[in-house]
Amino acid sequence: QSALTQPASVSGSPGQSITISCTGTNNDVGGFNCVSWYQQHPGKAPKLMIFDVSDRPSGVSDRFSGSKSGNTASLTISGLQAEDEADYYCSSCTSSSSPYVFGIGTKVTVL
Amino acid sequence: EVQLLESGGGLVQPGGSLRVSCAASGFTFKTFAMSWVRQVPGKGLEWVSTISSSGDSTFYADAVKGRFTISRDNSKNTLFLQMDSLRGEDTAVYYCAKRPPVGNFYFDYWGQGTLVTVSS
Repeated sequence: QSALTQPASVSGSPGQSITISCTGTNNDVGGFNCVSWYQQHPGKAPKLMIFDVSDRPSGVSDRFSGSKSGNTASLTISGLQAEDEADYYCSSCTSSSSPYVFGIGTKVTVL
Repeated sequence: EVQLLESGGGLVQPGGSLRVSCAASGFTFKTFAMSWVRQVPGKGLEWVSTISSSGDSTFYADAVKGRFTISRDNSKNTLFLQMDSLRGEDTAVYYCAKRPPVGNFYFDYWGQGTLVTVSS
């Protein structure tokens, strides 16, 4: 099972919006509505930001939103803030022998 | 408040064994499936293993199948990962992660992780 494809880095200025893509196949992202997104600050545990493509857990800012089109899912951060600077990982369930696959991660930099 | 606290990591020689644990609190442990996810320092996340709420069903990544064993003690709210025949490529931070109710494929809470280093 290959990792999902994400851009290595995305940057933006405070207040701007950025979008992180996550590309898979029909066997994972495209075949199921189970894409999730995690935020990870250096030295910290991952934190769930989006589940089931576009749902937000309680307590997560509505500046974070998710979507999917075909085999590509996206995470959009609106009104970018300094605290959003972190690594972001997508994940999807799969039809392969491993039930989960993660993306390679995207480093978000706030300029 | 949900808390997951891993322990048991450390330095082990190639071919050796190690057992890591995850103490859970703040939720009804016995009703949720649990997983281990690892992360090579500076790299991405990799799912390792999942165990059902009762412990009757277990699932493993191909990379660890036959070498790692996941288990749980619902009376002590604790998750375990027994790692045998360890290899250098098993060096990683091991996180325990809680699954939401059945039918959901994501992890809603994560522990802080425990570092396992396989080296001679």
